[in-house]
Amino acid sequence: EVRLVESGGGLVQPGGSLRLSCAASGFTFSSYVMIWVRQAPGKGLEWVSSLSGSGGSSFYADSVNGRFTISRDNSKNTVYLEMKSLRAADTASYYCARGDYSSGMDVWGQGTAVTVSS
Amino acid sequence: DIQMTQSPSTLSASVGDRVIITCRASQSVNTWLAWYQQKPGKAPKLLIYKASSLESGVPPRFSGSGSGTEFILTISSLQPDDFATYYCQQYSSYLWTFGQGTNVEV
Repeated sequence: EVRLVESGGGLVQPGGSLRLSCAASGFTFSSYVMIWVRQAPGKGLEWVSSLSGSGGSSFYADSVNGRFTISRDNSKNTVYLEMKSLRAADTASYYCARGDYSSGMDVWGQGTAVTVSS
Repeated sequence: DIQMTQSPSTLSASVGDRVIITCRASQSVNTWLAWYQQKPGKAPKLLIYKASSLESGVPPRFSGSGSGTEFILTISSLQPDDFATYYCQQYSSYLWTFGQGTNVEV
């Protein structure tokens, strides 16, 4: 079964840091782009970051560029999102997804909630 | 960045209705356009990719069309399970973007 499971969410103070993880199973992990998408409470979907299968190419939304870092460990079938200088506006459910550049995002995790508040 | 605009934002419909949702891109995305369905508290689900290709397992009442800057998602006969929010998403540039969503409600 193809599966993505996120972890690492929680409550963090403004200016703090958090690292999210997404464990993949059931497919050849290194063959796929991995993506993080977030959704603030009651709001729409926002693409956050993408990382190529090799880990050599990464892309970020302007809203997180310079504060968030996406990485992957293909030996562990895991993708990470390191988040620094967190703001209240980063409060959201964070989803990881599998995709490629020709067919969008076809597999999604269940999401992990991040709350930035003092 | 490429901006995606959906219309309408909210759509009231009944079971059996034909539903049309429009998505417009601020510049051409060729056919690099996907549609997703999301229900409250759940992850999004891919319905359509490359503007008109139906994802495996998705009922054929869903269809997509368009290219360039204008795209349409059509639900030919709305079913009770289809009441949800729908998003378009472009993946033409490496900076992907979503539309703001269309809530299909009773």
